[in-house]
Amino acid sequence: AQSVAQPEDQVNVAEGNPLTVKCTYSVSGNPYLFWYVQYPNRGLQFLLKYITGDNLVKGSYGFEAEFNKSQTSFHLKKPSALVSDSALYFCAVRDRMDSSYKLIFGSGTRLLVRP
Amino acid sequence: IAGITQAPTSQILAAGRRMTLRCTQDMRHNAMYWYRQDLGLGLRLIHYSNTAGTTGKGEVPDGYSVSRANTDDFPLTLASAVPSQTSVYFCASSDSSGQGDPYGYTFGSGTRLTVV
Repeated sequence: AQSVAQPEDQVNVAEGNPLTVKCTYSVSGNPYLFWYVQYPNRGLQFLLKYITGDNLVKGSYGFEAEFNKSQTSFHLKKPSALVSDSALYFCAVRDRMDSSYKLIFGSGTRLLVRP
Repeated sequence: IAGITQAPTSQILAAGRRMTLRCTQDMRHNAMYWYRQDLGLGLRLIHYSNTAGTTGKGEVPDGYSVSRANTDDFPLTLASAVPSQTSVYFCASSDSSGQGDPYGYTFGSGTRLTVV
């Protein structure tokens, strides 16, 4: 079965500094990987996805993620963090389910950006 | 605004009571899903439906049931609630059973359920 792991429960960065939220995956075959963000009392919002092509994927709000096959990683990055980026971030992988697909989510990483 | 509507937003429920969480989408997505979110565990799939008239079990289906009478609605029922079902419940949908949807899933805002 496919899975993703987010090794950090929380990441703290100062505003203006670069940020990285880590995700590693375990899949058979080619992975379809996603990042979602959850703001307080809201549902998850799509940030970006990797299916094929360039290893560097650009998404919403200035975020990007780098797919690294040799390290089985899909880390989320942003060059300059904003206080408003503080939220809960989930990595996900698409898994086969009967005749369709489902998303398997990591446990989430809370990002705190301090002013 | 296109999206998913969940109701109620929050609920406190006595153990043993029956409860239905409502989910309605207006995007004509064929696939719909119910997840529960618990601290430290991320989101876990409860039940899903690939298309109207069909449903399937996810990772944690026990104690829950669903129905999919039409494309738009996907209610989740707790037949006899227990405290371990205290959680935040999210409904989601996707197009083409998640194969071609560039955004993966669209999520509702969630229902916070407390079983006492």
